[in-house]
Amino acid sequence: DTEVTQTPKHLVMGMTNKKSLKCEQHMGHRAMYWYKQKAKKPPELMFVYSYEKLSINESVPSRFSPECPNSSLLNLHLHALQPEDSALYLCASSQEGTRLTYEQYFGPGTRLTVT
Amino acid sequence: GENVEQHPSTLSVQEGDSAVIKCTYSDSASNYFPWYKQELGKRPQLIIDIRSNVGEKKDQRIAVTLNKTAKHFSLHITETQPEDSAVYFCAAFSSGGSYIPTFGRGTSLIVHP
Repeated sequence: DTEVTQTPKHLVMGMTNKKSLKCEQHMGHRAMYWYKQKAKKPPELMFVYSYEKLSINESVPSRFSPECPNSSLLNLHLHALQPEDSALYLCASSQEGTRLTYEQYFGPGTRLTVT
Repeated sequence: GENVEQHPSTLSVQEGDSAVIKCTYSDSASNYFPWYKQELGKRPQLIIDIRSNVGEKKDQRIAVTLNKTAKHFSLHITETQPEDSAVYFCAAFSSGGSYIPTFGRGTSLIVHP
């Protein structure tokens, strides 16, 4: 299995809602990533988990809360978002997250709209 | 931190022509350079990559070259086809300390039939 899956595909939420994005991979990868991508822009790194521990937080607002329950799963909990947070949220995984660099596999993304 | 510049931002070619996209990076500790193709509404897909111990890599119509001294790498697509139309992103991964990928701003490639 060489696929990263994400759910849901689309999400519309109000600014007072709480929702979660989910990501799963079964490739045995130990590094997992959350990216935010606006239209016609490159992916913007948000968080990196390495061996289920948060290793990088790119100064992301606290209304985004990541969680890595186990080596195959990655969640992104959303609360009190702003309309400018509307974007495509991409999950990715790679074989190893520190020092050694391996190719990243991206999930299909969740299209988030905040109303 | 790392800074990756990508040019051009838009590239329009006729089917069958070659296309070249160039990226420069600033961090000499960067050692992995992937290229991603992203079609509208889809995920970025790795199309080719190169590591700092290699100068050139080729996969059918796609090739990547790396000049470590000048800190630049390029994507070459030969015999372009309309299905090559997409946004292409380069990236640089640094091994010095934090493992953070830095992406270029993207090149919109349009191949006219």
